[in-house]
Amino acid sequence: GENVEQHPSTLSVQEGDSAVIKCTYSDSASNYFPWYKQELGKGPQLIIDIRSNVGEKKDQRIAVTLNKTAKHFSLHITETQPEDSAVYFCADNTGNQFYFGTGTSLTVIP
Amino acid sequence: KAGVTQTPRYLIKTRGQQVTLSCSPISGHRSVSWYQQTPGQGLQFLFEYFSETQRNKGNFPGRFSGRQFSNSRSEMNVSTLELGDSALYLCASSLWQGALGEAFFGQGTRLTVV
Repeated sequence: GENVEQHPSTLSVQEGDSAVIKCTYSDSASNYFPWYKQELGKGPQLIIDIRSNVGEKKDQRIAVTLNKTAKHFSLHITETQPEDSAVYFCADNTGNQFYFGTGTSLTVIP
Repeated sequence: KAGVTQTPRYLIKTRGQQVTLSCSPISGHRSVSWYQQTPGQGLQFLFEYFSETQRNKGNFPGRFSGRQFSNSRSEMNVSTLELGDSALYLCASSLWQGALGEAFFGQGTRLTVV
């Protein structure tokens, strides 16, 4: 969506390496930022989220960081595994609706 | 706890026809939002229903409409189908209205217009 820019559009990493996906948003009033993973033929799955009063959140190998001043937030996946291969979407909640980034296709090479 | 259920999974329709898609949210969730996903435009918000009322609407023509029933199940209708309506239609359910918290998606309905 135009409110959220997501980079890179494609990302290939070796198994065991880290992957980082970055999103920037424009509305300083946004206060909730979810990340979704979408596998082929399935709907997006919520994997982690962060609220604007928090700078970082971790869940096992996945973490999200938020920089409110710079208006960007990032998804970090450590020790990547082949099953992490999917399309990842970020989103923000401008104007009481979710705006999604254009997605990052992550490929983890065994 | 059952997830979000969308039916049917696949549909093929002809231009000019109309179609109705169904979404059953997670038990206890009163918000249902609909999205259109295409390779070119990504995930785009159609509308949100909460307690049987449309609360928010995206930038789609009036051919796209919806409703929500007292049990929170929602339907989306598209009339006078066009080729460009071919897409994956996703619904998401949430406890909260207005994108304030976790939203869980169904598997989607793949609509093909020929």
